[in-house]
Amino acid sequence: EAQVTQNPRYLITVTGKKLTVTCSQNMNHEYMSWYRQDPGLGLRQIYYSMNVEVTDKGDVPEGYKVSRKEKRNFPLILESPSPNQTSLYFCASSADRSRGGPNQPQHFGDGTRLSIL
Amino acid sequence: GQSLEQPSEVTAVEGAIVQINCTYQTSGFYGLSWYQQHDGGAPTFLSYNALDGLEETGRFSSFLSRSDSYGYLLLQELQMKDSASYFCAVRRGNTPLVFGKGTRLSVIA
Repeated sequence: EAQVTQNPRYLITVTGKKLTVTCSQNMNHEYMSWYRQDPGLGLRQIYYSMNVEVTDKGDVPEGYKVSRKEKRNFPLILESPSPNQTSLYFCASSADRSRGGPNQPQHFGDGTRLSIL
Repeated sequence: GQSLEQPSEVTAVEGAIVQINCTYQTSGFYGLSWYQQHDGGAPTFLSYNALDGLEETGRFSSFLSRSDSYGYLLLQELQMKDSASYFCAVRRGNTPLVFGKGTRLSVIA
């Protein structure tokens, strides 16, 4: 089954304690991205990756890191979490076989709800 | 920069038709997508328009006018299960999708 898998689904932690949210996709997609969703603000892009070892900042990258060592995995790292990073996080992947070509639908994970106290 | 504007809330009656509008400003526009998200769920893809005109998929249709930087999602024969948030999204150059803030649709009996 084609899917994007995020872990954990829920996490409550404290300020300053490093955490990693994993994301894995089994569709051999080139693009992967992370979004955070907050009430009234919709989905905001944190980081994205167009392929292995290629990552770029989205609209709200401060306080986050990512890596793309393998095509299937795109972990989101919070080195020193703060309460303003309490949010619902989504990982997404899509195929894009030619730059400038048709936009491929993004497949989303089920989300990770982070609470940072 | 880029921006997408869509109404924050829409209410419609079961069985009726509703249209959710989206206007956008972005460089490097490739196309307009629509996603549905139920409470507590992940966004799921509904439709994509790269060219002007109407695309129909069952009860849902999506329209794009590139010259007006405008599109809409049309939902017909509304059902209670259509109550959800609907997001328009554009791709900015070679980056992944940028989403609007979403329209919360409430379908009432």
